[in-house]
Amino acid sequence: EVQLVESGGSLVQPGGSLKLSCVASGFTFSNYWMDWVRQTPGKSLEWIGEINTDGSKTNYAPSIKDRFTISRDNAKSTLYLQMSNVKSDDTAIYYCTRPRYRYNFFDYWGQGVMVTVSS
Amino acid sequence: DIQMTQSPSFLSASVGDRVTINCKASQNINKYLNWYQQKLGEAPKLLIYNTNNLQTGIPSRFSGSGSGTDYTLTISSLQPEDVATYFCLQHSSRPRTFGGGTKLELK
Repeated sequence: EVQLVESGGSLVQPGGSLKLSCVASGFTFSNYWMDWVRQTPGKSLEWIGEINTDGSKTNYAPSIKDRFTISRDNAKSTLYLQMSNVKSDDTAIYYCTRPRYRYNFFDYWGQGVMVTVSS
Repeated sequence: DIQMTQSPSFLSASVGDRVTINCKASQNINKYLNWYQQKLGEAPKLLIYNTNNLQTGIPSRFSGSGSGTDYTLTISSLQPEDVATYFCLQHSSRPRTFGGGTKLELK
């Protein structure tokens, strides 16, 4: 069974940093690109970034580019989201997602982790 | 970026009703359109992919249709467990973008 378990969410002050983790199980992690998707308090969903299978290539949404960094450790089957210089607009539930093999859509989702940016 | 306009944003219906939710893309997305269901406190769950392909385990009362820029999710006979928010997703081109969601409640 595919499982994605995020951790690391918390309250962080504007301008601060936070690192989210997502531990994957039930599939060969190193075979899949992985994505982060977030959901704002107003319930809008936004794709924020992706990483290729060996971690050598990443793509980001403009809203978080140059502030957030996605990385992975295939030996640990773990995906990361390093958040820096956070803003109030970054307040959201962050989901780790896995695409369907050879497709571009989000097939499996983690349970999500809440990040609140507030002073 | 492709904009996805979903309607209605809120829908109230009775058990047994036929329910339709629409998504309109800002350009042709060639049927690369998915529907997700999100119940309160849970992550989104895939219902339908590529316009009309039912995900394994999803009841047959859910169906999808459409082409070009216009797509529809239909629930043929609403059940109490269908209360949720529904989102469309286009995966025709990057960045993949979502509709704003439709909150479905029981009348």
